[in-house]
Amino acid sequence: EAGVVQSPRYKIIEKKQPVAFWCNPISGHNTLYWYRQNLGQGPELLIRYENEEAVDDSQLPKDRFSAERLKGVDSTLKIQPAELGDSAVYLCASSALGTAYGYTFGSGTRLTVV
Amino acid sequence: DAKTTQPTSMDCAEGRAANLPCNHSTISGNEYVYWYRQIHSQGPQYIIHGLKNNETNEMASLIITEDRKSSTLILPHATLRDTAVYYCIVPRSNDYKLSFGAGTTVTVRA
Repeated sequence: EAGVVQSPRYKIIEKKQPVAFWCNPISGHNTLYWYRQNLGQGPELLIRYENEEAVDDSQLPKDRFSAERLKGVDSTLKIQPAELGDSAVYLCASSALGTAYGYTFGSGTRLTVV
Repeated sequence: DAKTTQPTSMDCAEGRAANLPCNHSTISGNEYVYWYRQIHSQGPQYIIHGLKNNETNEMASLIITEDRKSSTLILPHATLRDTAVYYCIVPRSNDYKLSFGAGTTVTVRA
């Protein structure tokens, strides 16, 4: 079974440009998460979806970040416009509804804003 | 989430047991302790979780003190591939969100 698939693996963009990350979760996992991980720190939750509903987006910087999960499966995280401080690894994870032990993470997208 | 405290880093010799401590003195009676690890350039990976009894699986053992204020993750025979950042997490009992701290950077040396 394929794990959580993320693309692209790496992305380098100039500041003020838009960027999008894509995530395909484990089949059947209702819950999907986007995390951001700065260098030397643990992942920080940006948004959590239960099926297609965003149930926790309190940490998402809504002035420039947006996310969607169409049909409750794949998800896209967008930044527009990107800033230098957005350089980080963006991780997607999925889990079966109502569990904290079954998180499966993707390998992440490493974003560099120059 | 209950606050957890872990050492910043630790070294371990290959083939020896690695004992990773975690303090969670504010844990509530029905909150579980979870351990994840993150190998370089990968996403975090689930290791084990427990409530009050000791737990063991193919990856590790988890020892939780009787008062539940601390726990120890044991990697019985550390290998070089166990070099990673290890996170101890105690999510709220009515929520399944994982909040990661800085974790413990474990380096296994040959």
